[in-house]
Amino acid sequence: QITLKESGPTLVKPTQTLTLTCTFSGFSLRTTGVGVGWIRQPPGKALEWLGIIYWDDDKRYSRSMKSRLTITKDTSKNQVVLSMPDVDPVDTAAYYCARVMWNGAPSYFDFWGQGILVTVSS
Amino acid sequence: QSALTQPASVSGSPGQSVTISCTGTSIDVGTYNHVSWYQQHPNKAPRLMIYEVYKRPSGVSSRFSGSKSGNTASLTISGLQAEDEADYYCCSYAGGVTIYVMFGGGTKLTVL
Repeated sequence: QITLKESGPTLVKPTQTLTLTCTFSGFSLRTTGVGVGWIRQPPGKALEWLGIIYWDDDKRYSRSMKSRLTITKDTSKNQVVLSMPDVDPVDTAAYYCARVMWNGAPSYFDFWGQGILVTVSS
Repeated sequence: QSALTQPASVSGSPGQSVTISCTGTSIDVGTYNHVSWYQQHPNKAPRLMIYEVYKRPSGVSSRFSGSKSGNTASLTISGLQAEDEADYYCCSYAGGVTIYVMFGGGTKLTVL
């Protein structure tokens, strides 16, 4: 059974760094063709892809977030960490992690975490 | 282009079929078959419904089907049921030069 779960703060002050952890089970990030992606969704708005980390530690980021986002993995702990410095109220959103299947390219997100709603407010 | 284009809303009566379009460009949907569709009920996580244009994951009803023509992908839901009422998002790989992965703006499906 494949599961993912996001954890971290639900309230962050502007200019602080947001750090979210995705803890997963049922698959390994040592497996070729597997990755974990981060997607967010502001309240009432559409999904926005943020970034992906792959089994080989290759990382890809959204162009709009590239300068702000860092994604790392701890394969032994089955965890992926997203770090976003200098947050702003516009970063208020539900943040999801999801398993990515790579088939010559990032092909689809087949299993998703439940999401964590992060509010940026002073 | 920062997002794939979807209609804001579609509707249909129980038993009918509806199609949701997802329009991209020649550098994303038009070139790659890495197109997927997600269903999202209110306050729930998205669920994969279609991947690689037309493939259905295990457990997804055969009432859901996907296709692509040129720069536009489509999701068709036949035999509409009340439980199909949800938001639907398309997603595509975009070649990785300037944009890597992008989602559509989402379509609200209402079952009348």
